[in-house]
Amino acid sequence: DAKTTQPPSMDCAEGRAANLPCNHSTISGNEYVYWYRQIHSQGPQYIIHGLKNNETNEMASLIITEDRKSSTLILPHATLRDTAVYYCIVRVGTGNQFYFGTGTSLTVIP
Amino acid sequence: NAGVTQTPKFQVLKTGQSMTLQCAQDMNHNSMYWYRQDPGMGLRLIYYSASEGTTDKGEVPNGYNVSRLNKREFSLRLESAAPSQTSVYFCASMHWGLGPYEQYFGPGTRLTVT
Repeated sequence: DAKTTQPPSMDCAEGRAANLPCNHSTISGNEYVYWYRQIHSQGPQYIIHGLKNNETNEMASLIITEDRKSSTLILPHATLRDTAVYYCIVRVGTGNQFYFGTGTSLTVIP
Repeated sequence: NAGVTQTPKFQVLKTGQSMTLQCAQDMNHNSMYWYRQDPGMGLRLIYYSASEGTTDKGEVPNGYNVSRLNKREFSLRLESAAPSQTSVYFCASMHWGLGPYEQYFGPGTRLTVT
């Protein structure tokens, strides 16, 4: 399974877009990219996922590079409630296991 | 719907004691998972059950056993607890076979082994 690399921490001003990068240079053709977040010590929460096309939902946008070796999660207008640890995960297309890394701790600053 | 529930919420054990962590889901999901999260770390998969009647090891299975009791319930047992098993344990469920393969997590069990 491909592993992911994320910066350990980032800050973002409230109301601005938060862009969280993820490197998955060993990803293979059938591996999906998933993003989850964990607020304080709660269980992680699903945000978005994609295979090769860019995706958008009510929470965020996911931009995947053409070579699929990296992706960026975009929170368009960050709020204080978006302060959390964000995990970028890859999942094998035929597998039902998720491998979490250490994630990026995002702090939204007033 | 309660979603994914875990019991107990907190537990303190002495080294060598045993205990079972319980997990139940009411979403009719076929796959269930146990993770552990050590302080300042990400989640690591201990065991999972792709469907009722099957269980498989994850990244860190040593020192644990699991039972998929029925479709709703998936328990994690520590036979002889060690301080290295001090962690927060999360249970999750997902419906495998129908996208978007979103895992739903319980609130966690905070276990301390002294």
